[in-house]
Amino acid sequence: GNSVTQMEGPVTLSEEAFLTINCTYTATGYPSLFWYVQYPGEGLQLLLKATKADDKGSNKGFEATYRKETTSFHLEKGSVQVSDSAVYFCALSAQGGSEKLVFGKGTKLTVNP
Amino acid sequence: EPEVTQTPSHQVTQMGQEVILRCVPISNHLYFYWYRQILGQKVEFLVSFYNNEISEKSEIFDDQFSVERPDGSNFTLKIRSTKLEDSAMYFCASRQGSTDTQYFGPGTRLTVL
Repeated sequence: GNSVTQMEGPVTLSEEAFLTINCTYTATGYPSLFWYVQYPGEGLQLLLKATKADDKGSNKGFEATYRKETTSFHLEKGSVQVSDSAVYFCALSAQGGSEKLVFGKGTKLTVNP
Repeated sequence: EPEVTQTPSHQVTQMGQEVILRCVPISNHLYFYWYRQILGQKVEFLVSFYNNEISEKSEIFDDQFSVERPDGSNFTLKIRSTKLEDSAMYFCASRQGSTDTQYFGPGTRLTVL
């Protein structure tokens, strides 16, 4: 079945450091790929998405590129801020009408000043 | 900005008791979902609901679970006889239909004693 494997956390960085959170997936066809973020005490918020190969999703300085050849959708940010501290979830929605989301385990990011 | 709301934020119950978790999806959305996250594990799909009926459900969603949209605004998840292993964070989500983006509520933490 479809699955998402996400880099284990927690990840602790200093402000202005470079961030990468790895995400790989297993799915048939061409799934849509998502990154969701959960700030403390809040729900899951869509951060960015990509719906086809080589698409790049971006938002709030975060980027991720849909790489079909490596089945990956790694999240990157060039310079993190304290306010980026949150849990980040990689997810996919399979092609062909099954719109449920399949999530990775989540990666907790802490950014220190 | 419209958002998905969930009540209560935390529910404590005794094993064997019935619980109802409530969600108010975004008002013009047509597709509704429940997910859950057991502490330290992945966010897992439970059920999707469209046009007043279940469109898909997971293996977790057995006869102890039911969903209902009793009026034009609420979407509920009922667990008939709770088990210890039902302790988890339960997330409601909704989707408009024209895009594949699901919007999540803040979650209800269910603790079964």
